[in-house]
Amino acid sequence: KNEVEQSPQNLTAQEGEFITINCSYSVGISALHWLQQHPGGGIVSLFMLSSGKKKHGRLIATINIQEKHSSLHITASHPRDSAVYICAVRFGTWADGLTFGKGTHLIIQP
Amino acid sequence: NAGVTQTPKFRVLKTGQSMTLLCAQDMNHEYMYWYRQDPGMGLRLIHYSVGEGTTAKGEVPDGYNVSRLKKQNFLLGLESAAPSQTSVYFCASSYYGTPEAGELFFGEGSRLTVL
Repeated sequence: KNEVEQSPQNLTAQEGEFITINCSYSVGISALHWLQQHPGGGIVSLFMLSSGKKKHGRLIATINIQEKHSSLHITASHPRDSAVYICAVRFGTWADGLTFGKGTHLIIQP
Repeated sequence: NAGVTQTPKFRVLKTGQSMTLLCAQDMNHEYMYWYRQDPGMGLRLIHYSVGEGTTAKGEVPDGYNVSRLKKQNFLLGLESAAPSQTSVYFCASSYYGTPEAGELFFGEGSRLTVL
């Protein structure tokens, strides 16, 4: 079965710290997504990538296709970054849905 | 632009009752998906559609039916609700055909409780 594993499950850090969340998957993929789910429940797409690295503000996402691994980094973390971060991969074609990790619950303390 | 809108946001049902969740998107997306989210588990795909008039089963389709009569709407039906269907349901949509295609846009979720 194609699987997606995230680590850590829970992470508490102090404001300003550099945060790394990891995602690994079992077989080759066509795309990987990083999503953010706030306490209110809504889900927002942060990045979609199939190779290399993408940056948006204080967020950076990288993927290593050979190692089947992706990381999401947050620089200068802030309490408003507190959320669940979800990794999801597309194992098949555009028409296929995504396979989701269980999420990383991040809390940034002031 | 409203994006992806789900209705209702909350619903409580009794076992055996039926209901329909509506997902509407105004982005002219071809692909639409219904997911459920349960504690301790990742989102799981229930059904999806690759265009008007087409639907397909996902990972956990039992107990659900869907329809896509209009491109902008994707309906999820529960014919006879069971407590195991208590969950938060998310609709999502995406387009295709460009290098950036595949980005998902989610609705706000619908919390369903079956007693």
